[in-house]
Amino acid sequence: AQSVTQLGSHVSVSEGALVLLRCNYSSSVPPYLFWYVQYPNQGLQLLLKYTSAATLVKGINGFEAEFKKSETSFHLTKPSAHMSDAAEYFCAVISFTGNQFYFGTGTSLTVIP
Amino acid sequence: GAVVSQHPSRVICKSGTSVKIECRSLDFQATTMFWYRQFPKQSLMLMATSNEGSKATYEQGVEKDKFLINHASLTLSTLTVTSAHPEDSSFYICSARNRYRDRATEAFFGQGTRLTVV
Repeated sequence: AQSVTQLGSHVSVSEGALVLLRCNYSSSVPPYLFWYVQYPNQGLQLLLKYTSAATLVKGINGFEAEFKKSETSFHLTKPSAHMSDAAEYFCAVISFTGNQFYFGTGTSLTVIP
Repeated sequence: GAVVSQHPSRVICKSGTSVKIECRSLDFQATTMFWYRQFPKQSLMLMATSNEGSKATYEQGVEKDKFLINHASLTLSTLTVTSAHPEDSSFYICSARNRYRDRATEAFFGQGTRLTVV
């Protein structure tokens, strides 16, 4: 079975500061992991995904995530937060069959000017 | 990325009426569609998964007679909320995926539908 856990339902950072959103996974097979972002009253947009190629994955809007098997983690980072980064972020893992996504509970990012 | 169009974005209906939400994949074959419900400040709750041409598979606790899902073509799935009640008010999101592609292929999401039942 696959699952993801997002630590911290709310994260606040100052504009220009480092953003770190945590995601740990549990999977009985090599996982494929995803980070999505959701702006208010909108659907989800893919930020980046890990598919067993490079462990450091770069995504859109300056975000990146590093897959660490030893820590079963896939944390999302951005060196310098921008006001437009304020949103809800979801980590997800896809099932072995590829037919279902399992989402974390989400982390709400607030950027303080 | 691929585009999934969900319509309407907002709908207000009277209690007891039915509402249909459409989800279209515009530039790829959506062999699998997912329907989610999202409560304020919460994660997505999967309601059902449907494969084109087959009956939808509903998650435990989701009433299939109340939330009718049709996935008759590779580009269109619909969710009909029948006899809507105020407790059905929520944000509904669809996503689509081509299950015959690589397992690493992501799901693409619609813009969501804000349903308010009065």
